[in-house]
Amino acid sequence: QSTLTQPASVSGSPGQSITISCAGSSSDVGGYNYVSWYQQHPGKAPKLLIFDVSNRPSGVSNRFSGSKSGNTASLTISGLQAEDEADYFCMSYTSTTTLIFGSGTRVTVL
Amino acid sequence: QVQLQESGPGLVKPSETLSLTCSVSGASISSSFWSWLRQPPGKGLEWIAYMYSIGSFHYNPSLKSRVTISVDTSKNQFSLMLSSVTTADTAVYYCARDGGLGGEKVFDLWGQGTLVRVSS
Repeated sequence: QSTLTQPASVSGSPGQSITISCAGSSSDVGGYNYVSWYQQHPGKAPKLLIFDVSNRPSGVSNRFSGSKSGNTASLTISGLQAEDEADYFCMSYTSTTTLIFGSGTRVTVL
Repeated sequence: QVQLQESGPGLVKPSETLSLTCSVSGASISSSFWSWLRQPPGKGLEWIAYMYSIGSFHYNPSLKSRVTISVDTSKNQFSLMLSSVTTADTAVYYCARDGGLGGEKVFDLWGQGTLVRVSS
């Protein structure tokens, strides 16, 4: 498996909640609680949003939350705002000590 | 405030070696673990190598035979060399810090990235 599977795009209206899925296998997402999420605005470097499945670094809005069930991790954005329009990537540690990224999801605020 | 800055040629010819440097300011390079990642235009992220102990790196198996990472503590820099490049190596290259927030490889600080094009 070369990448984790994410939906290509997700959209929502301001104030709504959206969820982005990140599907892997028992060798990566399902096998470890080492899933992180990154936000990337066009032309900018990625920004860490969530680490170890559900932990937020200092300074990241509590509108962002992470969870995992089986081999699928999820990122939920609540109270969607215009500034949340960006690309989102998940990343997982794997059983072969490699790292694997998701295919990326473009979030559009309607 | 810790900052990372990538530098190097923006254009490399096919079959030649890509060389980039990441300069760390605001902290000692010996205080954290460091990594290189890249992102082809319009595509997703790919890790190239990550540090798992001071001066020791684990490489992406798909790139391992072509990658060399070095650390210069006197200059507070670490460098990437990627040999025998092809057009598939055209990408924005990022250096990043594993800030030790989590259990494994959490990149909490990134450089701004530098676009490297492979073209004759």
